[in-house]
Amino acid sequence: GENVEQHPSTLSVQEGDSAVIKCTYSDSASNYFPWYKQELGKGPQLIIDIRSNVGEKKDQRIAVTLNKTAKHFSLHITETQPEDSAVYFCAASNPNTGGFKTIFGAGTRLFVKA
Amino acid sequence: GAVVSQHPSRVICKSGTSVKIECRSLDFQATTMFWYRQFPKQSLMLMATSNEGSKATYEQGVEKDKFLINHASLTLSTLTVTSAHPEDSSFYICSASKTGLGTEAFFGQGTRLTVV
Repeated sequence: GENVEQHPSTLSVQEGDSAVIKCTYSDSASNYFPWYKQELGKGPQLIIDIRSNVGEKKDQRIAVTLNKTAKHFSLHITETQPEDSAVYFCAASNPNTGGFKTIFGAGTRLFVKA
Repeated sequence: GAVVSQHPSRVICKSGTSVKIECRSLDFQATTMFWYRQFPKQSLMLMATSNEGSKATYEQGVEKDKFLINHASLTLSTLTVTSAHPEDSSFYICSASKTGLGTEAFFGQGTRLTVV
C-alpha cells in the first residue's frame, strides 16, 4: 500500500523567514496530494492541495510543488507568522484504493518565533 | 467548503463500557467515510473505510469486533468502541469525500476519548 514519508519532524523558523516541508510517496498511482494544518485538539484543516497533472500551485503565502518522477512533493510557506505555528501533514490519495482514502505523513511541527 | 461534524468532541467513559462516535456530512452526501486514530504527537492512522450500505473495510491490525462501524445513510457513519480500555484513549477523527466528485476529503473536528 501507499507509504508517505515526511521531513523534518520539527522545524523552527524566525518570523518572516520561509519554511519548507518535504514528503515522498511510494505508490505511483497516487494522484492527489493535500496538505493539512492541525492545531492542538482540532481536526486537520486542508490548506492547499495539488493533483498529479500539475507541477506547482500557489495560494498567497503557501505553495506546493510536485515531482511525479521522483515521487516527492513539498510545501513552502513564505513570510511566516506566529499563527502559522502548528503541525502540518502531507498526504497522498490513490483513487484505485476505493473512496480515495488518504494516507498521511508523520507530520511536521512548525514553530514560528516572533 | 463542505462541513463534516463529529459528535461528541470529548467523552470520558469507564473501562468496559462502549462509546459511540458520530460523523455527519452536513451539506453533502458521502458514500465513503474514513475513520482515523491519532495518538499524542503522532500522525493520523487510518483505521477503516466506512462504506454506505455495506461492511466497513478495516486496515491491518485493527480489530473489527472492537471498533464497530455503521454507515447506514449517505450522511452518517458511526464508530463504536466496544468494551473500552485505557489503551483505547485517543483522538478519533473521521473524514468524508463527496460522492462521485474529486478526491478532497473533509475532516471532522475530532473526538477526544478518555477511558478511565
